[in-house]
Amino acid sequence: IAGITQAPTSQILAAGRRMTLRCTQDMRHNAMYWYRQDLGLGLRLIHYSNTAGTTGKGEVPDGYSVSRANTDDFPLTLASAVPSQTSVYFCASIEKTERSYEQYFGPGTRLTVT
Amino acid sequence: TQLLEQSPQFLSIQEGENLTVYCNSSSVFSSLQWYRQEPGEGPVLLVTVVTGGEVKKLKRLTFQFGDARKDSSLHITAAQPGDTGLYLCAGAPGWSNSGYALNFGKGTSLLVTP
Repeated sequence: IAGITQAPTSQILAAGRRMTLRCTQDMRHNAMYWYRQDLGLGLRLIHYSNTAGTTGKGEVPDGYSVSRANTDDFPLTLASAVPSQTSVYFCASIEKTERSYEQYFGPGTRLTVT
Repeated sequence: TQLLEQSPQFLSIQEGENLTVYCNSSSVFSSLQWYRQEPGEGPVLLVTVVTGGEVKKLKRLTFQFGDARKDSSLHITAAQPGDTGLYLCAGAPGWSNSGYALNFGKGTSLLVTP
């Protein structure tokens, strides 16, 4: 079972370029999330999708867009990258359990915008 | 956003010592989760606690949910170098505008030296 895969693993990107971070899950979870993780700031929610065909804005959505055409894929696009978007990006999904709901993370994409 | 404060932020101890990490909030959560993140990887779920006062043990790790479901602690007995990592607590506030998105603390970075 692969769980959540992300691509690329890392990327160096020139400012102003467009970039799409890919995320695929094979667990058939309805809800998916994109976070960025920065030193001293922790994990911050960028965008989310509660089910295929719907998306919403998280805590830090500016400069990012997402789409959710199907259950498995949840790409994150930076339309015109800026240096402040240098970060580690994690895709995640949630499984609703009997007692609670639990989040599963991908391995992350390390992005450097120069 | 319901804030989760973790303490201490950094902890460096020697193998065999005991330690406790705290996760506090002024808000009530329906459940609370602990994750461990190793360098270059995504967070991995360790445990979920749901009931106020609940205690769960995972080998040398003991997790407790506060009676009021606002705080939690993680106690490690006889720490080993393999326990090194970033420990994150995450509160589940229940359904909100961002679905079931969790609220994460900023983490406790633990280093256990031989």
